[in-house]
Amino acid sequence: GENVEQHPSTLSVQEGDSAVIKCTYSDSASNYFPWYKQELGKGPQLIIDIRSNVGEKKDQRIAVTLNKTAKHFSLHITETQPEDSAVYFCAATPSGNAGNMLTFGGGTRLMVKP
Amino acid sequence: DTAVSQTPKYLVTQMGNDKSIKCEQNLGHDTMYWYKQDSKKFLKIMFSYNNKELIINETVPNRFSPKSPDKAHLNLHINSLELGDSAVYFCASSTSSTWRGYTFGSGTRLTVV
Repeated sequence: GENVEQHPSTLSVQEGDSAVIKCTYSDSASNYFPWYKQELGKGPQLIIDIRSNVGEKKDQRIAVTLNKTAKHFSLHITETQPEDSAVYFCAATPSGNAGNMLTFGGGTRLMVKP
Repeated sequence: DTAVSQTPKYLVTQMGNDKSIKCEQNLGHDTMYWYKQDSKKFLKIMFSYNNKELIINETVPNRFSPKSPDKAHLNLHINSLELGDSAVYFCASSTSSTWRGYTFGSGTRLTVV
């Protein structure tokens, strides 16, 4: 089955700096890679996703890059703000698997200091 | 309008008790899931139902029994609660027609004392 590793587990940055979170996956059949943000006391929310036919995707201050050959993908947050503080999860799934089950990374706690 | 709603949000109970968590989604999705999030924030799949049929049943003690009366509802019943069951349980849903990950509920924090 799929295995997703995520680094770092905690990340502290100064407001305005950039933050990068990296994930690797094991199943070369995986072709969908979402990122979720979980704020305190809430469920994870999808913030950006990328499919394997695309190498990069950007949405305002967040971007995701994918390297299929190396089987890794990354989340980039620029001009960080205190409200970006949360736990971020990467995930991966091969299409067509039973129930389209996502395998999650272990999470990264991002702290943005004002 | 809440897309995926879980009740209750908090549940404190004694060891050995039986409890249920309810989940409803109004997104028209055809697949629903239960995930367990431990104290280290790790998200682990427990069950998945597609159109009321069980399709994923990970290694979970048989004290946990899901039930899907229709494709908009997925409930979780837990018998003989143990201390190790303390966690946050998330319900989620997705659609297989335009697959774009999950929509999660806000979670149920279960504390067994």
